[in-house]
Amino acid sequence: EVQLVETGGGLMQPGGSLRLSCAASGFTVSTTYMRWVRQAPGKGLEWVSIIYTGGDTYYADSVKGRFTMSRDNSKNTLYLQMNSLGAEDTAVYYCAREEPYNYHYVMDVWGQGTTVTVSS
Amino acid sequence: DIQMTQSPSSLSASVGDRVTITCRASQSIRNSLNWFQQKPGKAPKLLIYGSSTLHSGVPSRFSGSGTGTDFTLTISSLQPEDFATYYCHQSYSPPGYTFGQGTKLEI
Repeated sequence: EVQLVETGGGLMQPGGSLRLSCAASGFTVSTTYMRWVRQAPGKGLEWVSIIYTGGDTYYADSVKGRFTMSRDNSKNTLYLQMNSLGAEDTAVYYCAREEPYNYHYVMDVWGQGTTVTVSS
Repeated sequence: DIQMTQSPSSLSASVGDRVTITCRASQSIRNSLNWFQQKPGKAPKLLIYGSSTLHSGVPSRFSGSGTGTDFTLTISSLQPEDFATYYCHQSYSPPGYTFGQGTKLEI
């Protein structure tokens, strides 16, 4: 079964750091594109970062310079290192697989999400 | 970044109704438009990609259309399990594929 499981969320103080993990099963993360998407409480969906098969990573302007996405191929796991956290980073964080469907790259498998709360 | 604007933001309907949600892109995205459904406390689910192709397992009462900047999602006969929030999503301009703000479909 194809599955993604995120862990690592929690309550953090402003300025703190946190690392999220996303463990994949049923497929290999290094052979596909993978994204992090977040959703602030009561708000819509916002893409955070993407890692391509070659290892290149890109970030939304809102997190650039503070967040780092990586993967461990031996563990088939993605990571999101989040530094300098602010209240605006409070959200549910989802990892998602991005696959080509008739030349359209779409997020077809999502994890259940992990909640990050930044508050003093 | 390409901006995606959905309308309406919320919609009240009844079981059996036909409903249409629209999505407009700030520039042409050809047919690189996807629709997701999200229920409270759950992850989004892919419904439609490429503007009009139903993802595997999605009921045929869902349909999508449009090209360029204007797109629609139609549910032909609402079922109780369809009450959710729907998001359009452009996959034309990598890497920052953007979402619409969502349409909450309520009973």
